[in-house]
This record gives sequence, structure tokens and C-alpha cells, in this order.
Amino acid sequence: GAVVSQHPSRVICKSGTSVKIECRSLDFQATTMFWYRQFPKKSLMLMATSNEGSKATYEQGVEKDKFLINHASLTLSTLTVTSAHPEDSSFYICSAGLQETQYFGPGTRLLVL
Amino acid sequence: AQSVTQPDIHITVSEGASLELRCNYSYGATPYLFWYVQSPGQGLQLLLKYFSGDTLVQGIKGFEAEFKRSQSSFNLRKPSVHWSDAAEYFCAVGALTSYGKLTFGQGTILTVHP
Repeated sequence: GAVVSQHPSRVICKSGTSVKIECRSLDFQATTMFWYRQFPKKSLMLMATSNEGSKATYEQGVEKDKFLINHASLTLSTLTVTSAHPEDSSFYICSAGLQETQYFGPGTRLLVL
Repeated sequence: AQSVTQPDIHITVSEGASLELRCNYSYGATPYLFWYVQSPGQGLQLLLKYFSGDTLVQGIKGFEAEFKRSQSSFNLRKPSVHWSDAAEYFCAVGALTSYGKLTFGQGTILTVHP
């Protein structure tokens, strides 16, 4: 139980394009989902908290216009990296909350050329 | 502000040896404590968690952790390590008042020698 999927697992795009990453809770409903970014050999950095039916809450220093988050249903949250640049290349991981525990997706590797 | 410290960046053990990964936290409220494991290029898998009750918690893959309030610690242990345990381990703290948000430690990379 408590399985979270992410799609795509890997994406390569050109600089200036937008990329959408999906996070789904497969066997439970999650009113809250979280988006993290992980740099090589580093811990996870929380980017934003996504609440179903309301606006996401962004952490300090995260550009909300660049990282658009939508949580339209209890099983799906999306992160759109708009006008991506090489410095946005990273490993993005989502998690879904269930009973005070976060369950993580497998991550999405983004490479912006 | 809450914080989590994992003092050991990298630990190497021999297969079959015992393991202890250290985690210290600083948190004003009653903490929820977690250990996650991450294999290269993968997401995080929950090993175990502590919310309340018995301070020794059992997790998956033969891992256990002990909550010691007096030492603000939540160390992860395994009596006999397997080569497949090689991965990065993250300790995290949350609370009811944090609305599900977690604070992660820097992680400990575990290498297992045959």
C-alpha cells in the first residue's frame, strides 16, 4: 500500500521550453502532496506544499511563477517547470501525505540542454 | 527552528556486521521521526517511523530504531548488514503542527564490503 508514481522518470528538453511532471497516489487519496528538489550528493530541498483544491505554498526562495503546481484531485499533483534553463536540471521528487507520513515517488530526472 | 543532524556522511561496513546510523534532532514540539532509504536514482522508501508509544520501533528489511528523548536521538540499527543494504539513509522529523512537512538530515551513505 501507499504507492506513489511519477511521470516521466526522465526528461530531456531544450532551454526555454516547459516541462510537466505528474505525481500520483495510486492506492490512497492525498489532500497534501509535496515537491522536492535534490541536487547531486545532497539532501532533499522542499520546494512547495500542494494542497488539493487550493493554491500551493512555496518555500522561501522558490519562484512560484517558474515552478507551477496544480493539485486538481486527491490523487494527482503536477509540477510544471516553465521556461526551463540548464540550472533547472535536477532530480525532482514528489511525496504524498497519508496519516502524518510521507510516501515518495521514484523521482524525475530533468536535464535541460 | 527544527533541524536534523546525521553526523556520519559515509559509513563502510562488512557484510554481516552490525550497523548503527546516528540521527540527532532539534525540535520544540513532540516530534514524529522517520528513517528513509534511497537507492541511486530512486525515490525514498520508508523504513520505519515513530509517533508515540514504545520507543523501540521495528521497520522493514530487519531495521529498527530507538527514540531517546533525553538524547534527542533516533538511531537506526541493523544486527547483520546485507550487501543490498548499500544505499543512502535519511533521517527526518515532522510534527502534527508542521502540517506534514518534514525536515531531513543530510543523509548517510552506506557502503557494504563483501
